[in-house]
Amino acid sequence: DAGVIQSPRHEVTEMGQEVTLRCKPISGHDYLFWYRQTMMRGLELLIYFNNNVPIDDSGMPEDRFSAKMPNASFSTLKIQPSEPRDSAVYFCASSFSTGVSPLHFGNGTRLTVT
Amino acid sequence: AQSVTQPDIHITVSEGASLELRCNYSYGATPYLFWYVQSPGQGLQLLLKYFSGDTLVQGIKGFEAEFKRSQSSFNLRKPSVHWSDAAEYFCAVGETSGSRLTFGEGTQLTVNP
Repeated sequence: DAGVIQSPRHEVTEMGQEVTLRCKPISGHDYLFWYRQTMMRGLELLIYFNNNVPIDDSGMPEDRFSAKMPNASFSTLKIQPSEPRDSAVYFCASSFSTGVSPLHFGNGTRLTVT
Repeated sequence: AQSVTQPDIHITVSEGASLELRCNYSYGATPYLFWYVQSPGQGLQLLLKYFSGDTLVQGIKGFEAEFKRSQSSFNLRKPSVHWSDAAEYFCAVGETSGSRLTFGEGTQLTVNP
């Protein structure tokens, strides 16, 4: 199993630009989560999907953030326009829905907004 | 609302010494508890989990954790630490209704030679 795959690994962009982060979950997993990690706030859950449907997006910080899951094998997190305070590591994770299943994390995308 | 507290931000131990990382949780029902480890530049890797049954659970890399309901704790232990164990460790509690996890703030472990 290839695990959760995120791209790109690193992204450097200028303030005001659009940023798109990508995630391929583990095949067969029906939950997908987007987390953000910063020194100040630790790991924050931004949004999660079940069977491609957004369940809870209360963690999305602003309207500048949006996430989609067009099919079971692909999700995107978009920031438009980006701001320096969006600089963080963004993780995607996936799991099964049976009972309480451990999350499997990707290696993250380190975003730097200058 | 559920919450997790890891009282120790940073711990330093010598290689070969024993280790205990503390985790306290707040949750109204029976908790589902996890420990994850994060190496620099990597995602989080599951060390072990507790759902029910035996309160002492074994994980990968020689780690174990003990669930103590009376103390609302789920401390992680290892009898002899290796230099490769240097990393950040996260405790997490899961909801019974799904897979959503709440993470603690993490404990950074440094291992001295």
